[in-house]
Amino acid sequence: EAQVTQNPRYLITVTGKKLTVTCSQNMNHEYMSWYRQDPGLGLRQIYYSMNVEVTDKGDVPEGYKVSRKEKRNFPLILESPSPNQTSLYFCASSLLQGINEKLFFGSGTQLSVL
Amino acid sequence: RKEVEQDPGPFNVPEGATVAFNCTYSNSASQSFFWYRQDCRKEPKLLMSVYSSGNEDGRFTAQLNRASQYISLLIRDSKLSDSATYLCVVNTATGFQKLVFGTGTRLLVSP
Repeated sequence: EAQVTQNPRYLITVTGKKLTVTCSQNMNHEYMSWYRQDPGLGLRQIYYSMNVEVTDKGDVPEGYKVSRKEKRNFPLILESPSPNQTSLYFCASSLLQGINEKLFFGSGTQLSVL
Repeated sequence: RKEVEQDPGPFNVPEGATVAFNCTYSNSASQSFFWYRQDCRKEPKLLMSVYSSGNEDGRFTAQLNRASQYISLLIRDSKLSDSATYLCVVNTATGFQKLVFGTGTRLLVSP
């Protein structure tokens, strides 16, 4: 089944403890992206990647890192999480980065930073 | 002014009703437009793209008005299963993907 797999689904951590949220897609998509969703703000892009070893900042990249060493994987890293990073996170992918591409989303990670 | 604005709702309608949502966007150079559906705390899923000539998919009709910079979604014969949040999504870049998401309009369909 074609899908974007995100783990974990829920995560509670404490301030400053490094964490990684994994994202993997099995559709051979070139484009992958991370979003966070907060009440009243909609989805905002954190980072995106147009292909292996090519990543770039989105609208809210501060406090996050990403890597794209393989086409299928695009992990999101929080080196020192803070409470303002408590949010619902979604990984997404599309075949290319074209203007009419359909985005496929992972099932989301609800992160709470205490 | 937000780049993409939607009425948050909720829109409460009975089964069988027709309901319409609008979404306005500020960037006149925006090239592509979409409606995504999101169930509570789950991942958004593409409902339909919005084409300049308007398009229909079963009970759903999407329209684009470039002059007034808004898109609309019409749902006819509402079902209980249509209850969800509908996200307006606009690609604001020229030639590549730069999506801006609205905050969503919540629809509640009751028996």
